[in-house]
Order: sequence, then structure tokens, then C-alpha cells
Amino acid sequence: GQNIDQPTEMTATEGAIVQINCTYQTSGFNGLFWYQQHAGEAPTFLSYNVLDGLEEKGRFSSFLSRSKGYSYLLLKELQMKDSASYLCAVRHTGNQFYFGTGTSLTVIP
Amino acid sequence: DSGVTQTPKHLITATGQRVTLRCSPRSGDLSVYWYQQSLDQGLQFLIQYYNGEERAKGNILERFSAQQFPDLHSELNLSSLELGDSALYFCASGGGNTEAFFGQGTRLTVV
Repeated sequence: GQNIDQPTEMTATEGAIVQINCTYQTSGFNGLFWYQQHAGEAPTFLSYNVLDGLEEKGRFSSFLSRSKGYSYLLLKELQMKDSASYLCAVRHTGNQFYFGTGTSLTVIP
Repeated sequence: DSGVTQTPKHLITATGQRVTLRCSPRSGDLSVYWYQQSLDQGLQFLIQYYNGEERAKGNILERFSAQQFPDLHSELNLSSLELGDSALYFCASGGGNTEAFFGQGTRLTVV
């Protein structure tokens, strides 16, 4: 089975840095993915890790520790448009994607 | 534009009815995934097809079924609908060596 945990809600200030954590347990690991989802819209891909370490993509970075079953998404220089839900997903060895319940991020001025 | 097309965008139907949701994957993608997202809930994995064959099942109810056709488009059939089936239904494709690409979803309202 799969178990993926993320905080339900977070609030951060415009221009600041926020870290969204994700812990997981899975029967077969083949990558950790982060998606952004605005209300009522499709999830869009942000970042992905299959090996331990940090992956950086502009204002977004993601970190993975497979031994600890832990990942985080780091968002820098927060903008108001970053207010959204952030979904952590584990890709199983069978290539299915299992999602956490998402972290709703509110960016305040 | 993800390249994944879902129709219809919106669907309103009565309890007890049956509906069919349609998905066309990105060109070249063999895998199709179906997800359900209820209000304030995460994405619940329903089922995966790969090149016409069922590959994995998640939390899919017996009242729901899916298939993938030779042209790789997929349909999700929902029957004996209940109020609690009201949700956003997403289709995604990709996943082999890539991320999953999501369609815009079908918003189903059961009244």
C-alpha cells in the first residue's frame, strides 16, 4: 500500500521562502513528484526526484531522502500567484502515481 | 496545454443514472490513469490502463468501470450514480519515463 502525508495548510509572506514537507511509505518506489494545483484546475508538474538530493528549477527546488521516506518542496521569492495546493506524489514501480491530500498554501502580502 | 483531452468538461445528472467520461492521451503515451477528486480531497487513484490492458486498480468502486480502446483513448463509466459521486474526474497520461500529464478534468454533479 501507499501512505503519503503532507501538512494540510500553510501560510507564508510574499517574497519569503516556504518549505512543504512530504513523508511517504510505499511498497515500490520509482520517483517522487511535486505538482501545483489551482482550485478547479488540472495539476501541473513542478519537480521530480528519483535519486537522493536536491533538484533545482528556478524558484522551485525539491529534495529527496529515500532512506527516510522524505521529500520537501522549496519555493523561493514567493509571489501571490503561488497561492495554490501543492501535491506530493509517489510513482510506484508499476508506474502508477499515488498522491497525498495536498498542502494548501496561502501567500499573504 | 498538456496534450490530454477530456470530454465533457461539465456533466450534471440525476441519481441512479449512468455516464461516460472520455479521455484522449498525449500523442505517443500508452498509459492512461483515472483519478477522482472530491471537494477538498486529494487525488484518488482509480485505475490505470496500458496499451489497452488494465494495469492497476486503486480505489475504484464496483459501479465504476473503464476501458482503453485500440486508438488508446479511454472511457470511464460511472453507473448507479449517487450524490457522493459528485467530484472532479481527471485523466492523465505519460508516466513511463516522464511525469503524468493531466487533462482539464470533467466536473460531475449528481443531483
